[in-house]
Amino acid sequence: QSALTQPASVSGSPGQSINISCAGTSSDVGSSNLVSWYQHHPGRAPKLLIYEVTKRPSGVSSRFSASKSGNTASLTISGLLAEDEAHYYCSSYTGISNVFGGGTNLTVL
Amino acid sequence: EVQLLESGGGLVQPGGSLRLSCAASEFTFSSYAMSWIRQAPGKGLEWVSAISAAGGSTYYADSVEGRSTISRDNFKSTLFLQMNSLRAEDTAIYYCASGGMASSRLGEYWGQGTQVTVSS
Repeated sequence: QSALTQPASVSGSPGQSINISCAGTSSDVGSSNLVSWYQHHPGRAPKLLIYEVTKRPSGVSSRFSASKSGNTASLTISGLLAEDEAHYYCSSYTGISNVFGGGTNLTVL
Repeated sequence: EVQLLESGGGLVQPGGSLRLSCAASEFTFSSYAMSWIRQAPGKGLEWVSAISAAGGSTYYADSVEGRSTISRDNFKSTLFLQMNSLRAEDTAIYYCASGGMASSRLGEYWGQGTQVTVSS
């Protein structure tokens, strides 16, 4: 199973909004409602930000939102904060496995 | 607060074996499917293996199929990953995480990870 495709890096200034895409296929993102997003600060445990394509776990800021269109999922972070600088990963259930994206490094300028 | 604590990592020669453990606390372990997810140096996350809540069903990524065995002890709230015939490409930080196959919230809880290094 190939990894989902994410941009290697994105950047934005404090207060701005950014989008991170996660491109898959009709066998994973396109056919799954089990698409998730994670935030990972190096040296720390990853954190679940989004599950079931658009839902936020309790305690996750409303600045994080997500959507899906066709075979591509997207994460939007609004009102960027310095603390948002981290790696972000998408994942999707494929029916026979779980697959992650390659990760996107977000830099807050 | 939920805690997942991995252990058992270390330096092992190619072809060797390791058994990773993940001890859960403040967590209804027996109600959750569980997964092992790894991150190789400079790489992204990779799902490795999953096990159902009762332990009756197990799943593996192609990269470890036939070389690894996932298991659990619900009485001791502990998850295991037995890895055999280790290769250099198995070098990674191994995380245990809640959720398994078709889990709504894969990775709702994560451990801090344990480092596995395969090198001669």
